[in-house]
Amino acid sequence: GAVVSQHPSRVICKSGTSVKIECRSLDFQATTMFWYRQFPKQSLMLMATSNEGSKATYEQGVEKDKFLINHASLTLSTLTVTSAHPEDSSFYICSVPDREGETQYFGPGTRLLVL
Amino acid sequence: DAKTTQPPSMDCAEGRAANLPCNHSTISGNEYVYWYRQIHSQGPQYIIHGLKNNETNEMASLIITEDRKSSTLILPHATLRDTAVYYCIVTDSWGKLQFGAGTQVVVTP
Repeated sequence: GAVVSQHPSRVICKSGTSVKIECRSLDFQATTMFWYRQFPKQSLMLMATSNEGSKATYEQGVEKDKFLINHASLTLSTLTVTSAHPEDSSFYICSVPDREGETQYFGPGTRLLVL
Repeated sequence: DAKTTQPPSMDCAEGRAANLPCNHSTISGNEYVYWYRQIHSQGPQYIIHGLKNNETNEMASLIITEDRKSSTLILPHATLRDTAVYYCIVTDSWGKLQFGAGTQVVVTP
């Protein structure tokens, strides 16, 4: 069964609005989660590391004020795309480390389309 | 900078073994080799990983050369559902995965 869920699976929004994407770890608690972005026909790009109870750490070139990450509990991390623009349209994927810390479980992804 | 080099695509006949190569000539001693795959419009799926020994699980086998500069992922009996992009990733940090372009594998009937 699924280990990681994301909601919504797809969302269409108007330019200038904000969109919240949820990532849930279903089987175990996770103090760390990861957020990736994937543009069409491209590979996944790590955006940020979500840390429970503290600030997220962002990869170089990712605007922290635009992509707000909140890891409020050990099973939930949220990514909010603020003031979305068409160029933010992408496939957003989260991942959760397994209990042994050896690998990652990925969510099914959220497809965002900004009109 | 890409740490791995993979062929962009390869075809495989259903029922046959698929051998996916990966070069990682600059791998350091504490870095693992991970393989993930991504079926179209889904999140990536973990396949296997190893440090220096060959590894096998229910999905695949991983063969790492003695000098660790290259590896091969083997899908023993490819099925149509194995059609996906396969990513070879070298990392000493299991969490922060840097994905390259991967290999698009198409399994044909």
